[in-house]
Amino acid sequence: GAGVSQSPSNKVTEKGKDVELRCDPISGHTALYWYRQSLGQGLEFLIYFQGNSAPDKSGLPSDRFSAERTGGSVSTLTIQRTQQEDSAVYLCASSPSRGEGSPLHFGNGTRLTVT
Amino acid sequence: KQEVTQIPAALSVPEGENLVLNCSFTDSAIYNLQWFRQDPGKGLTSLLLIQSSQREQTSGRLNASLDKSSGRSTLYIAASQPGDSATYLCAVSRYKAAGNKLTFGGGTRVLVKP
Repeated sequence: GAGVSQSPSNKVTEKGKDVELRCDPISGHTALYWYRQSLGQGLEFLIYFQGNSAPDKSGLPSDRFSAERTGGSVSTLTIQRTQQEDSAVYLCASSPSRGEGSPLHFGNGTRLTVT
Repeated sequence: KQEVTQIPAALSVPEGENLVLNCSFTDSAIYNLQWFRQDPGKGLTSLLLIQSSQREQTSGRLNASLDKSSGRSTLYIAASQPGDSATYLCAVSRYKAAGNKLTFGGGTRVLVKP
């Protein structure tokens, strides 16, 4: 596709439910990132996939959060037993390589509201 | 721990005036610094990327400078237009292997009045 695609664009869920957020990166981009944007915390790094390497999960806030990337393309971010503090916009981004001179291309995000 | 600060948090200028946006970071050991633009309800759009070895980057009306030793970057937008109204964010990458694992500032919300 022309850009990074995220679905759904909006998700409202009840506290305690699990949610899955999807990201389709730009074709051919080997690096994929998940960020979270919330009013109180600004933009925070969550997880980073680079090719076939083990992902950098250092930004995941708790073990309720997990992500996978299948076939080096599509990625899914899963939040188990959602809490109200998980409410935020979840942004996915991709780049052609690690980042030396390779700017990030962001999707429009998934706005998650936990009631 | 790297901290990135952007001042002011909001800025309002009349059309045609030059914009000056500031970004400061606490750890000068960075790999690159990037400036992004975010429109309401949208993702981020990359504007300029400055490698740590560079002093500035230019693209059209945009110019970004980097002074790594003092932990500062400035984004200049010449002859502002209403379409420049958006939130501008700066972000730093710590080292090459970290790729685009970025630490972001809180952003400066810009309003250009016609």
